Amino acid sequence: EIVLTQSPGTLSLSPGERATLSCRASQSVSNTYLAWYQQKPGQAPRLLIYGASSRATGTPDRFSGSGSGTDFTLTISRLEPEDFAVYYCQQYGDSLWTFGQGTKVEIK
Amino acid sequence: EVQLVESGGGLEQPGGSLRLSCAASGFAFSSYSLNWVRQAPGKGLEWVAYISSGRSTIYYADSVKGRFTISRDNAKNSLYLQMNSLRDEDTAVYYCARNRNYAMDVWGQGTTVTVSS
Repeated sequence: EIVLTQSPGTLSLSPGERATLSCRASQSVSNTYLAWYQQKPGQAPRLLIYGASSRATGTPDRFSGSGSGTDFTLTISRLEPEDFAVYYCQQYGDSLWTFGQGTKVEIK
Repeated sequence: EVQLVESGGGLEQPGGSLRLSCAASGFAFSSYSLNWVRQAPGKGLEWVAYISSGRSTIYYADSVKGRFTISRDNAKNSLYLQMNSLRDEDTAVYYCARNRNYAMDVWGQGTTVTVSS
């Protein structure tokens, strides 16, 4: 089973700043199978990025995904107040899906 | 509007059973594979089970294999999760989610399952 490790656990930033979230896999992951989600308190997760770098419908262009192999990154170019949330990476492989443990982006 | 709505959660004793349902609307249900994903209180997301559009392919997380059964009725636009031999650690919000491009692009609002004596 591929384990995804996200860092940092918590990111304290101010609106307008750039956020860089990391997702490291224990084995190589095909770009096709890597996704990012946003979750706000009391809400279901929302798909932001699929295929490592493709924005889902409705995802603002300040969100971008990059990376390959075992290292993937979600970047938020300029944080808006509504971006403060928890972010999860997810991969598919060997007939199962796994999620990272999440990165919380909080207001500094 | 594309929508998934879960139901069937509740309080059950350890060893008991529950059946969750997920009603879909606004899209061609029979064309999409689906998942169940859960989230324990204060914890992260955990994938539980997958079923392909035509029901030919089913996968389970090791944590629920042999206890949970995923199924679907394409005529009723509905997804199900039969949960048997429930354990304390099955306590969570359970989401159904549509699969697209190996990601989950539509999610329900979730239904809460509490396993406790």
